[in-house]
Amino acid sequence: KQEVTQIPAALSVPEGENLVLNCSFTDSAIYNLQWFRQDPGKGLTSLLLIQSSQREQTSGRLNASLDKSSGRSTLYIAASQPGDSATYLCAVFNTQGGSEKLVFGKGTKLTVNP
Amino acid sequence: NAGVTQTPKFQVLKTGQSMTLQCAQDMNHNSMYWYRQDPGMGLRLIYYSASEGTTDKGEVPNGYNVSRLNKREFSLRLESAAPSQTSVYFCASSEALMLTLLGSAQPQHFGDGTRLSIL
Repeated sequence: KQEVTQIPAALSVPEGENLVLNCSFTDSAIYNLQWFRQDPGKGLTSLLLIQSSQREQTSGRLNASLDKSSGRSTLYIAASQPGDSATYLCAVFNTQGGSEKLVFGKGTKLTVNP
Repeated sequence: NAGVTQTPKFQVLKTGQSMTLQCAQDMNHNSMYWYRQDPGMGLRLIYYSASEGTTDKGEVPNGYNVSRLNKREFSLRLESAAPSQTSVYFCASSEALMLTLLGSAQPQHFGDGTRLSIL
């Protein structure tokens, strides 16, 4: 059974700091990996999607990497801002129990202090 | 651009009552999904619809039914609500599940959720 783990569960940093969020998964047979952002009381916003054949994706100050063989992904946020404060979720898409689906981690709650 | 719209945003039910959560997307997506999010459990897939006319069970389907009314709309029904179904429910859509399986990037787009409390 696919399991997705995100470390740390919570992170507090001063504004301007570069930071890394970690995601690991137990079954490397994935189609893709997606990073989401969730603001309090809101839904999920897709940030980056990395196909299983890719190594990384970049969008603005965000860079996500994927090492499928070791079951790891990182989300790098450069020059963090208070507006980056949110919960960041990692999810992998694979086949499990006869259904194709996203399996989510429990998230990392990020606080960027002014 | 509305994206994925869920109604209602909040609801309180008594045990045993029935309820239908509505979801509509305006992105012409083929695939739609229902998740629940619980503290300490993360998001879990309840049901999904790969395309209009099809529905399949996800990880936690017991106690729920779904209807893919048309390409735009995918509803989730609780026939006899139980306190264990207290949760935040999210609907999502993607262009086509089949394209994901063929290796094409298909991000899922989420609604803002329905917060459901069952007393």
